[in-house]
Amino acid sequence: DAGVTQSPTHLIKTRGQQVTLRCSPKSGHDTVSWYQQALGQGPQFIFQYYEEEERQRGNFPDRFSGHQFPNYSSELNVNALLLGDSALYLCASSRYRDRHEQYFGPGTRLTVT
Amino acid sequence: RKEVEQDPGPFNVPEGATVAFNCTYSNSASQSFFWYRQDCRKEPKLLMSVYSSGNEDGRFTAQLNRASQYISLLIRDSKLSDSATYLCVVKLDRDDKIIFGKGTRLHILP
Repeated sequence: DAGVTQSPTHLIKTRGQQVTLRCSPKSGHDTVSWYQQALGQGPQFIFQYYEEEERQRGNFPDRFSGHQFPNYSSELNVNALLLGDSALYLCASSRYRDRHEQYFGPGTRLTVT
Repeated sequence: RKEVEQDPGPFNVPEGATVAFNCTYSNSASQSFFWYRQDCRKEPKLLMSVYSSGNEDGRFTAQLNRASQYISLLIRDSKLSDSATYLCVVKLDRDDKIIFGKGTRLHILP
């Protein structure tokens, strides 16, 4: 039973560029949440997707957008990258009815130079 | 006041000792509580949920004090493998938002 997978594992971009990160949820899960984790900080909630719709959103600007596909996989897009966007981006999946019990992927480490 | 606060540590504890740390939350409408564990440069993993009556899972005991708005995690007979960052997580009732604390670093010393 595959767990949550994310790609790529590492990414280096320059300021102003755009990036797309991908996540495949654990088998049987239908809900995907995205988090940003800066060094030494806890994960900060970006948004959550269920039934291909954004259900909740944290305090992140519109430069952060996402999508969920019919197979429950998800993408996180960040436009106009800033140096401060450098972080570990974590995807977590769950079943909607148990969405507090999240399983995290290994993350994508994004470096913006 | 931050929504979820934890002592960042580090807690340096000899192997075999008992260690406890707390997490305070500011929103009384908070509904559910969890402890996650995160190893260095790894993803967080659910350690245990925290129930109102308190709950135990092997060497780990979690407690909730709604009146004082804190949860605690107690680790007995600590092992070297318990070294990690422990993240407190609160789920708010009003909007289902899940909030992570910054974590408490624990180092178990041989």
